[in-house]
Amino acid sequence: EAQVTQNPRYLITVTGKKLTVTCSQNMNHEYMSWYRQDPGLGLRQIYYSMNVEVTDKGDVPEGYKVSRKEKRNFPLILESPSPNQTSLYFCASSEKGGSPLHFGNGTRLTVT
Amino acid sequence: SQQGEEDPQALSIQEGENATMNCSYKTSINNLQWYRQNSGRGLVHLILIRSNEREKHSGRLRVTLDTSKKSSSLLITASRAADTASYFCATDRAMDSNYQLIWGAGTKLIIKP
Repeated sequence: EAQVTQNPRYLITVTGKKLTVTCSQNMNHEYMSWYRQDPGLGLRQIYYSMNVEVTDKGDVPEGYKVSRKEKRNFPLILESPSPNQTSLYFCASSEKGGSPLHFGNGTRLTVT
Repeated sequence: SQQGEEDPQALSIQEGENATMNCSYKTSINNLQWYRQNSGRGLVHLILIRSNEREKHSGRLRVTLDTSKKSSSLLITASRAADTASYFCATDRAMDSNYQLIWGAGTKLIIKP
């Protein structure tokens, strides 16, 4: 089944403790992206990747890192999480930039 | 930055009625997309309409695009309880080469049985 898989679904952590949210897609998509969703703000893009080894900042990249060493994986790294990074995070992929996005089921992160 | 803005923010209708949501944007676009999100889940792509298209259909969904007014509408006909969800429009910017999508804050649709 074609899908984007994010893990974990729920994560509660403390300020400053490094964490990684994994994202994997099995559709051989070139384009991958991370979004955060906060009430009333819609989706805001954190980072995106047009292809392997190519990543770029979105609208809200501060406090986040990504890597794209393989086509299928696009992990999101929070080196030192802070409470303002408490949010619902989505990974998405598409065949190429501009194509319809396939979303993962989300990761609800709480930083205390 | 927000480009798309959906209107209304929330809509509650009876099952069987039609639901219309609108999206406005600010800059020239290549295409506009509509997505559905069920309560906290991942978004699901509904329709993509290109800037040179005026109308597109998919099942009970009808999307129109008016580039002169920089607006789009999503019509759901004969609504069902399962259509209860939030609906988002997303646009790219024609001058951008990175295909970055700009999202609106969404319309929350509630279908009453």
